[in-house]
Amino acid sequence: EVQLVESGGGLVQSGGSLRLSCAISGFAVRKNYMIWVRQAPGKGLECVSVLYSAGTTYYADSVKGRFTISRDDSENTMYLQMNSLTYEDTAVYYCARRYTLGHQVDWGQGTRVSVSS
Amino acid sequence: NFMLTQPHSVSESPGKTVTISCTGSSGNIAANYVQWYQQRPGSAPTTIIYEDNQRPSGVPDRFSGSIDRSSNSASLTISGLKTEDEADYYCQSYDTTNHWVFGGGTKVTVL
Repeated sequence: EVQLVESGGGLVQSGGSLRLSCAISGFAVRKNYMIWVRQAPGKGLECVSVLYSAGTTYYADSVKGRFTISRDDSENTMYLQMNSLTYEDTAVYYCARRYTLGHQVDWGQGTRVSVSS
Repeated sequence: NFMLTQPHSVSESPGKTVTISCTGSSGNIAANYVQWYQQRPGSAPTTIIYEDNQRPSGVPDRFSGSIDRSSNSASLTISGLKTEDEADYYCQSYDTTNHWVFGGGTKVTVL
C-alpha cells in the first residue's frame, strides 16, 4: 500500500527554520517525481517545490533561495528544508508523488507550519 | 504567467449534475494534461481525475473530465450529486516550462 506521511511541522518564529519530512512506503522515492504543495489558511493549493527522479529540482519564486528539497534513498524519505521563514509561509504542507508513467498523483495527509510574525 | 481560472463556487441539489470549468489564460490547454483534485473540509486533496478524463481506481463514474479546445478549458462534471460530494475542487496543469499550475478552486455546495 502506498503511503506518504509528513512530519516536522510546528510553530516557529519569523526568520526561523524547519525541516519537513515525508516518509514513504509502497514505492521508491528515488524512482519517482515528488512534489511539495502548500495551502495557506483559507487559500488554494500552491506547488512549492518539485524533485524529479533524476535529481533535478524546481522551486516556486516565493521560496527560491530559502527552501531546499532533497531525498534520502536509504530512508525512502523526502525532505523540505525551510529557512528564513516568514508569516507568508504559514500553511499546511503536503507531499505528493506523480506516477512515473502518467499524471496520477498520491497525496500525504499534510503537516501544519505556523510562522509567528 | 499561465493561469487556470475556476468559478469560485457552484451549488446544486442532490441528484442533479454540476459542471466546473477550468479555463487556461493562454496557449492550448489541450497541450498538457489536466488533473482534478477533491478536497473535503479538513482533509488532504485526493485525485479524482488525471490525464484529462481518467479516473483512479475507486473513484465513482459519476465524476468525469473533459477538454474543450474551442474555449481553451477543461471541465469536471459530477452527476447524481450526493451530499458527500460537498468539497473544494481544484484543477491542475502545467505551464510552458512544465511546472505545476493550480486553479483557484471551486467550492461545491449540495443544497
